[in-house]
Amino acid sequence: GENVEQHPSTLSVQEGDSAVIKCTYSDSASNYFPWYKQELGKGPQLIIDIRSNVGEKKDQRIAVTLNKTAKHFSLHITETQPEDSAVYFCAASPLTSGTYKYIFGTGTRLKVLA
Amino acid sequence: ETGVTQSPTHLIKTRGQQVTLRCSSQSGHNTVSWYQQALGQGPQFIFQYYREEENGRGNFPPRFSGLQFPNYSSELNVNALELDDSALYLCASRSLGTETQYFGPGTRLLVL
Repeated sequence: GENVEQHPSTLSVQEGDSAVIKCTYSDSASNYFPWYKQELGKGPQLIIDIRSNVGEKKDQRIAVTLNKTAKHFSLHITETQPEDSAVYFCAASPLTSGTYKYIFGTGTRLKVLA
Repeated sequence: ETGVTQSPTHLIKTRGQQVTLRCSSQSGHNTVSWYQQALGQGPQFIFQYYREEENGRGNFPPRFSGLQFPNYSSELNVNALELDDSALYLCASRSLGTETQYFGPGTRLLVL
C-alpha cells in the first residue's frame, strides 16, 4: 500500500550546523511533496514543497531535493538556529480524481543545541 | 498563522459517546480534509469534502463522518468512540486545483 518512510526519527545538531532529513515513498503516482514543521501544541505549518517535475527547490536556508527514480526526497536546513527545533514531517501526495490525499512520514524531531 | 481555525481546542469524552469537531477554512478555500494524528505519529487522512460532498476517504470506518457547509466550514463527527480514537484531529483547507493544504491548530480528543 501507500507508505512514506522518514529518517531519522530524532536529530540533534549544533547551532549553525546543517540538518538533513530523508524520506522514501512507495506510490509512483505521487507528484507533490510538501514538508511541514510542527511545533508543540500547534498544527503543521508548510515550510517548503516540490512538484515531481522539479529536482530541487530552495528557499533561503531551506532546500528540498527529489529523486523520482529512487523515490527519495530530502529536506536540507543550513545554518540551523534554536527556533528550527520542532518536529518535521514529509508527505507525498498522489493526485487521484482531484483528491490530494497526503501520506505523511512518521516525523523527525529536530533539536538545535545552542 | 494559516487562517484555519478549529474548535474546541481540547475535549474529553467517554468510550461509546459521540463527538463533533468543527473547522473554519481559510478564506477562499473550498476543499477541506480531516486528518487524525496519534501521539508520536504523522497525520493520517480521514476524508476530504468538496462542494459539501465527500470525495475521498482513507482507511477509517463509517462511524467517522463529516459535513461541509456552504460557507466552507466543516464538521467531523465520530460515533461510538473508542479508546484508540484519542488523538489530535486536524483539518486542512485548500483551493480547488491547488495541491497545498493549510492546517489548523487541531483539536485534541481524549477518550476515557
